[in-house]
Amino acid sequence: AQSVSQHNHHVILSEAASLELGCNYSYGGTVNLFWYVQYPGQHLQLLLKYFSGDPLVKGIKGFEAEFIKSKFSFNLRKPSVQWSDTAEYFCAVNSGGYQKVTFGTGTKLQVIP
Amino acid sequence: KAGVTQTPRYLIKTRGQQVTLSCSPISGHRSVSWYQQTPGQGLQFLFEYFSETQRNKGNFPGRFSGRQFSNSRSEMNVSTLELGDSALYLCASSSRQGVLENTEAFFGQGTRLTVV
Repeated sequence: AQSVSQHNHHVILSEAASLELGCNYSYGGTVNLFWYVQYPGQHLQLLLKYFSGDPLVKGIKGFEAEFIKSKFSFNLRKPSVQWSDTAEYFCAVNSGGYQKVTFGTGTKLQVIP
Repeated sequence: KAGVTQTPRYLIKTRGQQVTLSCSPISGHRSVSWYQQTPGQGLQFLFEYFSETQRNKGNFPGRFSGRQFSNSRSEMNVSTLELGDSALYLCASSSRQGVLENTEAFFGQGTRLTVV
């Protein structure tokens, strides 16, 4: 069965600091990888996705993630965070096109002005 | 294009009762999935429907069931409610047609169910 681990449960950063959120998954086959964000009181929104091709994926709002197959990782990065990035971030994976998406436990990011 | 719509937004039910939640997917989307979100367990997959057929099912008891109508709208039912069923129930739709097609899911705002 596939699983997703997010190492950081709660991250506090000052504005303009760089961000890296870790995500590791366990599944031996072909995977699709996602990062979703949930702003306070809002629904889950897709930040970026990886299906195939270039392992460095760029998403919305300046976020990017790198798929490293040998490490089973898909870490999320942003060079300079803003207060408006305060939200909960979820890494997710599904395999081979099946719609069952397995989510990590989420990382709450708090950006201090 | 309207997003995924879930109704109602909030529900309070008593233990032992049953509840039905509704989800209208994005127009043209035929795949609908349901998830349960709780602080302790995070987001957990319940089931997926496509063209009125359940295609995938998560590890939830039989009290949790669902269905999909010909217009792709979906309902989720929970019978004999327990306190532990209190959660945010999220519906997601995708444009996925074939079993092996790669698409992302678009989520609704959820239905907050409180069981007292």
